[in-house]
Amino acid sequence: DAKTTQPTSMDCAEGRAANLPCNHSTISGNEYVYWYRQIHSQGPQYIIHGLKNNETNEMASLIITEDRKSSTLILPHATLRDTAVYYCIVITGTYKYIFGTGTRLKVLA
Amino acid sequence: EAGVVQSPRYKIIEKKQPVAFWCNPISGHNTLYWYRQNLGQGPELLIRYENEEAVDDSQLPKDRFSAERLKGVDSTLKIQPAELGDSAVYLCASSSDRGETQYFGPGTRLLVL
Repeated sequence: DAKTTQPTSMDCAEGRAANLPCNHSTISGNEYVYWYRQIHSQGPQYIIHGLKNNETNEMASLIITEDRKSSTLILPHATLRDTAVYYCIVITGTYKYIFGTGTRLKVLA
Repeated sequence: EAGVVQSPRYKIIEKKQPVAFWCNPISGHNTLYWYRQNLGQGPELLIRYENEEAVDDSQLPKDRFSAERLKGVDSTLKIQPAELGDSAVYLCASSSDRGETQYFGPGTRLLVL
């Protein structure tokens, strides 16, 4: 199963872009990259996913490198409500989500 | 559209007591998942159902844990007897089909004393 590596924590100033990196160097060609976040005392919330191309939705943008070994989740204008743990997950052929410990993002006023 | 519903949200029990958690997935979602999340860790899959069939239960501690999904809709996860180490958040998720995006419920926070 592809493993992901993320920084333990990051800070971001309110109103600035938050760029959260993820390394998935063992990813296979048909495995998707998913991002979720978990705000304190809530279940994980789906943000975005992609295979090879960059993706954007109302919540965030996902940039995947050409070799697919890493990706970056971008929150374009972070707010205090974006403070959460962000998980990068590679979905395997067995459809299993393997969560790591994620990145704890703190948005500062 | 209603999300995944779980109950209870919190449960405190003494060790050796039984406990059950209930999950109602998003309407029309065939695949249902139970996860356990220990403090400071990411969720870990316990069991996955496709309709009524448990297709991946390799991480479910079968000596004390059991699950069922009658009629392929609601599901119940049971622990009997509970141990101190079972204190965790139990999350339910559902997806329209295997491999599709999973949507999580708010979880049940269990404390075993």
